[in-house]
Amino acid sequence: EDKVVQSPLSLVVHEGDTVTLNCSYEVTNFRSLLWYKQEKKAPTFLFMLTSSGIEKKSGRLSSILDKKELFSILNITATQTGDSAVYLCAVEVPPPYTGTASKLTFGTGTRLQVTL
Amino acid sequence: DAGVIQSPRHEVTEMGQEVTLRCKPISGHNSLFWYRQTMMRGLELLIYFNNNVPIDDSGMPEDRFSAKMPNASFSTLKIQPSEPRDSAVYFCASSLRGLAKNIQYFGAGTRLSVL
Repeated sequence: EDKVVQSPLSLVVHEGDTVTLNCSYEVTNFRSLLWYKQEKKAPTFLFMLTSSGIEKKSGRLSSILDKKELFSILNITATQTGDSAVYLCAVEVPPPYTGTASKLTFGTGTRLQVTL
Repeated sequence: DAGVIQSPRHEVTEMGQEVTLRCKPISGHNSLFWYRQTMMRGLELLIYFNNNVPIDDSGMPEDRFSAKMPNASFSTLKIQPSEPRDSAVYFCASSLRGLAKNIQYFGAGTRLSVL
């Protein structure tokens, strides 16, 4: 069974701190890894990584994938209260039939709280 | 674009009642996914469709759950009869297979409470 594990489960930091969120996975057939941010409602897409060592950056957020060790990290620098959310990691596995969509297996998330 | 639209946003019902959740995917998207989110189990895929055809329903918990997609712009998830353990937030997501590389876009969810 495909498995995605995130750590820590929750984290409280002060505004301005840097945080690192971890995601490890065991899947039968890997295609990509995605990070989502979930505030009070729907998860919103942050990054997709497909190759090892590729670092994605978007402002203060960055992410790295290591396909050999089967993990990814999400870094947030100079955290702000608006970064408070649950961060979800998901792994994409190929579909059962050619020409159809892949499905995602999600971890249970890391709850980040940024305080003043 | 309006994004993925789900209704209702909140549903409170009594055990044994039928519940129908609705989803309108992003226009032009050809894949639709139904998820359930709970504190204990996180975000779980229930079923997904490609071009209105169910591809994988292995996540549907039991026969009380059913899903349909009669056309490209509408899907329903039905629970009959509902039970208290079905209480959760149900999300619908859609994606466009191809250049967008299967990025799924989520609706705001339906919070279901079964009393």
